[in-house]
Amino acid sequence: GDSVTQMEGPVTLSEEAFLTINCTYTATGYPSLFWYVQYPGEGLQLLLKATKADDKGSNKGFEATYRKETTSFHLEKGSVQVSDSAVYFCALGARGGGNKLTFGTGTQLKVEL
Amino acid sequence: KAGVTQTPRYLIKTRGQQVTLSCSPISGHRSVSWYQQTPGQGLQFLFEYFSETQRNKGNFPGRFSGRQFSNSRSEMNVSTLELGDSALYLCASSNNPGTGADNEQFFGPGTRLTVL
Repeated sequence: GDSVTQMEGPVTLSEEAFLTINCTYTATGYPSLFWYVQYPGEGLQLLLKATKADDKGSNKGFEATYRKETTSFHLEKGSVQVSDSAVYFCALGARGGGNKLTFGTGTQLKVEL
Repeated sequence: KAGVTQTPRYLIKTRGQQVTLSCSPISGHRSVSWYQQTPGQGLQFLFEYFSETQRNKGNFPGRFSGRQFSNSRSEMNVSTLELGDSALYLCASSNNPGTGADNEQFFGPGTRLTVL
């Protein structure tokens, strides 16, 4: 079945550091890929998405590129801020399979001054 | 446009009881999905409803059930509660029919269920 593997956390960075959170997937066909963010006490917010190979999703300085050859969708940000502290989830949606999302385990990011 | 709303936000029940959670999707969204979030298992898909029909179902026992009304509002029910059912239950809605490439979901704040 479909699955998503993302790097274990927690990840602790200093403000303005470079961020990478790795995400790889296993799926039949060509799924859509998403990064969601969850702030303490809140639900999930869509951060960015890519629906086909080589697409780059971007939002709020975060980027991720859909790499079919490596089945990856790594999240990057050039300069993190304290306000980026949250849990980040990589997810996939099977094409034509309804709106079910399969999530990774989440990576907690803590950014310190 | 109002977001996805879930009621109640917090709930405390005892083992053996049953519980009903409610979700109101974004206006115009016909798809509603439910997820269970726990520290041990992460985010797990429960089921999806589209136009009042269950379209997808995750690997949960029959104690977990749901339904969707004609106005797209959805409820999920858990009967004979167990300690392990303590979790954050998230509802998500979408205006995508789910037949194409974009499965973007909009999530509510969740209902925190504690089973004692």
